[in-house]
Amino acid sequence: DVKVTQSSRYLVKRTGEKVFLECVQDMDHENMFWYRQDPGLGLRLIYFSYDVKMKEKGDIPEGYSVSREKKERFSLILESASTNQTSMYLCASSLSRGQGRFTGELFFGEGSRLTVL
Amino acid sequence: GQQLNQSPQSMFIQEGEDVSMNCTSSSIFNTWLWYKQDPGEGPVLLIALYKAGELTSNGRLTAQFGITRKDSFLNISASIPSDVGIYFCAGRGIQGAQKLVFGQGTRLTINP
Repeated sequence: DVKVTQSSRYLVKRTGEKVFLECVQDMDHENMFWYRQDPGLGLRLIYFSYDVKMKEKGDIPEGYSVSREKKERFSLILESASTNQTSMYLCASSLSRGQGRFTGELFFGEGSRLTVL
Repeated sequence: GQQLNQSPQSMFIQEGEDVSMNCTSSSIFNTWLWYKQDPGEGPVLLIALYKAGELTSNGRLTAQFGITRKDSFLNISASIPSDVGIYFCAGRGIQGAQKLVFGQGTRLTINP
């Protein structure tokens, strides 16, 4: 089974703090994604990566950055956390078109609920 | 970016009732997927649709890929308590082939 593991289920941070959210997948997927989930807004894509050291902005990248130094790990960074970044953050991975068996399916972690005070 | 409109946003039903929800887009998608999120978990894929007009079932769940390629429907028959959760539609467009766009979600609550 695919396993996507997010390092923290719950975090509480103060405004201005630097926040790292870590995500690891164990299925050799090339694509990794960070989504933000808010009630009434669904899942919105922050950043995604289709290869090591590669990244592309999603729909709401402002205030976030990412790092992908190894294929299995994709980190989301909030350089200076603000209260409007209080949210549920979901990491996901998927096969790429070139990996065969590509279905478009995303495999999600359990989520990291971040509260910024 | 592309947006999906999912409705209804919430549903309160009695156990045993059938459920219908849908998703529409202003642009064409070449894949439609339906995910379910249980409380405290990440979303999990229920059904994937790859061709316009396709109708696919997974147990009590049935989903359809609209022939215009701009909409999709999910039906749940004879609901049971474990159907509670948030259901998301997602689409994969032609230009954004490696990423999905999600709807706002439908929160399903079931009264036993």
